[in-house]
Amino acid sequence: SQTIHQWPATLVQPVGSPLSLECTVEGTSNPNLYWYRQAAGRGLQLLFYSVGIGQISSEVPQNLSASRPQDRQFILSSKKLLLSDSGFYLCAWSRRGTGELFFGEGSRLTVL
Amino acid sequence: GQNIDQPTEMTATEGAIVQINCTYQTSGFNGLFWYQQHAGEAPTFLSYNVLDGLEEKGRFSSFLSRSKGYSYLLLKELQMKDSASYLCAVPNQAGTALIFGKGTTLSVSS
Repeated sequence: SQTIHQWPATLVQPVGSPLSLECTVEGTSNPNLYWYRQAAGRGLQLLFYSVGIGQISSEVPQNLSASRPQDRQFILSSKKLLLSDSGFYLCAWSRRGTGELFFGEGSRLTVL
Repeated sequence: GQNIDQPTEMTATEGAIVQINCTYQTSGFNGLFWYQQHAGEAPTFLSYNVLDGLEEKGRFSSFLSRSKGYSYLLLKELQMKDSASYLCAVPNQAGTALIFGKGTTLSVSS
C-alpha cells in the first residue's frame, strides 16, 4: 500500500529564518507531487506541483521554492521566512492520469 | 481559470440531513471532488463525480450537474463526528492539480 509522510509536524520559526519541509511517498512510482498551504480561515492554496524529478511548476509567486531530488521526495524551502508564511502546509501525491489526491499529515508553521 | 464557490458555514443537528452546495466555473471539465477535513488534520477523499447524477456511498452522496456547473454533497443521519470542513475541488485546466474551494465548515450539535 502507498503511504506519504511529511515532517516536521510542527515548527515555530523567527522571521527571516530558513525553512525546509520534507515529504516522501512510499509504495508507488512516478507519482505527481504537490505542496498546498492553508492559512487560518482560508482555503487550500496550491503552491507547487511536480510531474517528475527536477520538474517543478509554481502556482503562486512568493519567497518559497520546491525541489524534487528523487522520484518520491518533495522538499519545500525558503531562504527567509515572512510572517505571512505561517500556515498549515500539506504535501500530497496522485497517480498519473487521475485527480484524486492523497495527503500527508501536514506541517503547521508559525512564523514569529 | 477555475473558480469555486461554496457556503462558508452550516449548522445542523444530529440525525438530520444536510446538503452542502458547490458551484464552479471551469475551463473544460474533468470531474469534481469532495474532501472532508477535520480541524487540524489533512483532507480525506469522499467522492468523485464526472458524469451527471447522484453517487451514493453510505450516509454520504454527491450530485453533479455539468450543464449548471453545480454539485452538492448530501450527508444523512448526521453524527457529531461529521463536524468538519467539506471541500469542493476541480482539476486545473491542465489536469495536473486540484483547485479547492474555501470549504464549508459544518457544525453538528446534539
